[in-house]
Amino acid sequence: NAGVTQTPKFQVLKTGQSMTLQCAQDMNHNSMYWYRQDPGMGLRLIYYSASEGTTDKGEVPNGYNVSRLNKREFSLRLESAAPSQTSVYFCASSEPGLGYGYTFGSGTRLTVV
Amino acid sequence: ELKVEQNPLFLSMQEGKNYTIYCNYSTTSDRLYWYRQDPGKSLESLFVLLSNGAVKQEGRLMASLDTKARLSTLHITAAVHDLSATYFCAVDRGQGAQKLVFGQGTRLTINP
Repeated sequence: NAGVTQTPKFQVLKTGQSMTLQCAQDMNHNSMYWYRQDPGMGLRLIYYSASEGTTDKGEVPNGYNVSRLNKREFSLRLESAAPSQTSVYFCASSEPGLGYGYTFGSGTRLTVV
Repeated sequence: ELKVEQNPLFLSMQEGKNYTIYCNYSTTSDRLYWYRQDPGKSLESLFVLLSNGAVKQEGRLMASLDTKARLSTLHITAAVHDLSATYFCAVDRGQGAQKLVFGQGTRLTINP
């Protein structure tokens, strides 16, 4: 089925470890996004990529890096995980000109101990 | 800075009743989205509102947008248990890429 695929679905890290969250979409969307969801805070934008070859910081970028590998793939990297990065991470994609909003991936539940 | 506020944040209601969730936002925008999230799941698109006065309906849910008041409402008619979920509104900043700013979410519980 068409959509946004995120891996892994669950992950436990120790403080200081690194990891990369993977995201791929097959809808030929130009824009892709990474959000984190914490209780009572809605979703907050970490980084986004308006189009292939570009990335920009969102509201909460500290501690994260991203790579727009090609039009389909947008990865999020935690270089040195901290307990404050325990969250649920969602990748999304959209075609801004169409105004349809986002299609979300299934999410990654990350725990940093 | 665009801020999006929903109220109430928690809503417990009985089946068969009507209620409204409110979404206020702080700066001009004419693109607003409603999403539904079931526990442990991802977000599912419900409504896309792209102009002042837009109204969309799907089953027992109806969403509207008043861009002058910077207000959107999600109205639930004759609630049923299956509508229990968390509902988010999101507003497009309108600056190039479609960067949505989300409200805190409204956790809706519908009791038999």
